[in-house]
Amino acid sequence: GIQVEQSPPDLILQEGANSTLRCNFSDSVNNLQWFHQNPWGQLINLFYIPSGTKQNGRLSATTVATERYSLLYISSSQTTDSGVYFCAVGGKRNDMRFGAGTRLTVKP
Amino acid sequence: DARVTQTPRHKVTEMGQEVTMRCQPILGHNTVFWYRQTMMQGLELLAYFRNRAPLDDSGMPKDRFSAEMPDATLATLKIQPSEPRDSAVYFCASGPSAPLTRGGVVAKNIQYFGAGTRLSVL
Repeated sequence: GIQVEQSPPDLILQEGANSTLRCNFSDSVNNLQWFHQNPWGQLINLFYIPSGTKQNGRLSATTVATERYSLLYISSSQTTDSGVYFCAVGGKRNDMRFGAGTRLTVKP
Repeated sequence: DARVTQTPRHKVTEMGQEVTMRCQPILGHNTVFWYRQTMMQGLELLAYFRNRAPLDDSGMPKDRFSAEMPDATLATLKIQPSEPRDSAVYFCASGPSAPLTRGGVVAKNIQYFGAGTRLSVL
C-alpha cells in the first residue's frame, strides 16, 4: 500500500510564528487531505488537495503530485492551532492511509 | 448543522463481551468509513462502504470484527469477543460520492469525521 511520511513529528512554536508541515507519499494518489485533530480528539478536514494550492485564512496547502509531497503552511500561529495535523492519501479505491501526524504546540 | 453521529461516546467493557458501535452518517452521504486510532498504530482504516455495500474491509480482523450498514442512516461495527488490545478510539467518517462544490472548487471524496467512540476493554 501507499506509504505516508510526515515531518517533523513534533513542533513547538511561539504564538505568531509561521510553520511548514510536510507530507511525503510513495505512490500516485487520487485523494489527499489534511486534517487537524484538536486536543479533544475531534478530526476536522482542513483541505482536500490532491494537487495544486489552496488557501483558507491563515492556512494554505500545496501538493506537488509529480514529486509526491504536500506542504501545509500555518501563518501567524495561534494557541488554538495546537493539536495533531494528519495527512491522509488515497488511491483509486479511496482507501485512505494516514501519516503518523505532526504534533504542534503553540505557546502563548 | 450536518454532522456524523457516533454512539456511544465512551464504552468500558470486560474482555470477552460483545461491543457494538453505531454511526449515523451525514444525510445524503453514501460512503462510510470506520477507522481505529491507537497510540502505537495511529489511524488505521478498518472498513469502508459505498451505497451500503462493503468495498474494503481488509484492515479489519475478520475473526472478531464485523461491519454492516443495515440501512443508509446506520452503520455498525461489532467486536465479538472483545480483547484488551481492541482498546482504542473508533472513528466513523462519511462522505459524498458525487463531487461537491466547496468554495467554488469541485472537491471529491472529502471525509467528515464523527467524534469517535473511546473503547476500553479490561
